[in-house]
Amino acid sequence: DAGVIQSPRHEVTEMGQEVTLRCKPISGHDYLFWYRQTMMRGLELLIYFNNNVPIDDSGMPEDRFSAKMPNASFSTLKIQPSEPRDSAVYFCASSSASGRVIVYNEQFFGPGTRLTVL
Amino acid sequence: DQQVKQNSPSLSVQEGRISILNCDYTNSMFDYFLWYKKYPAEGPTFLISISSIKDKNEDGRFTVFLNKSAKHLSLHIVPSQPGDSAVYFCAATMTTDSWGKLQFGAGTQVVVTP
Repeated sequence: DAGVIQSPRHEVTEMGQEVTLRCKPISGHDYLFWYRQTMMRGLELLIYFNNNVPIDDSGMPEDRFSAKMPNASFSTLKIQPSEPRDSAVYFCASSSASGRVIVYNEQFFGPGTRLTVL
Repeated sequence: DQQVKQNSPSLSVQEGRISILNCDYTNSMFDYFLWYKKYPAEGPTFLISISSIKDKNEDGRFTVFLNKSAKHLSLHIVPSQPGDSAVYFCAATMTTDSWGKLQFGAGTQVVVTP
């Protein structure tokens, strides 16, 4: 299995531009999470999906952020318009609550997208 | 509000010695805890976990201790090796809550020196 795939790995953009981050979860996983990592706050959960349906978006900082999961193998996190304070590493993770679960709520992370907004 | 806190942003330890990483939580409803390890330019990977029905879980060189009354857990790495140099995140969840939500701490950067 290729694991969770994220693209791009690095994104540099100018303030005001739209940014789209992409994620492909592990096949068969029914939960998908978007996190943001900053020095000050560590790993923050932004939003998560179950079976492609958003369950909790209380961590989404502002209306400038939106996330979609059109199918079980693809999700996007969009920032429009982007601001310098959005600069961070964004991680996507997936997990499965069904089948043989050894570790409760173990989440598998992608390599992250490092976003820099100038 | 940060419900999971790792108050030591960094830790330096000599190879072969013990590394002790601490984590405190404020929500008494948390009943399952996980530690993740993160190398630069990679995503966090699961390391070890513990349920609140236990006070210790051991996996090779890694042991996690849980003190529910103090709302405190710690990760011990013995002996520390250079490959252990990474950021370690503590995470907590409620098994009574809907599957999915993990609360992470800010992380502790561990540097193991030869």
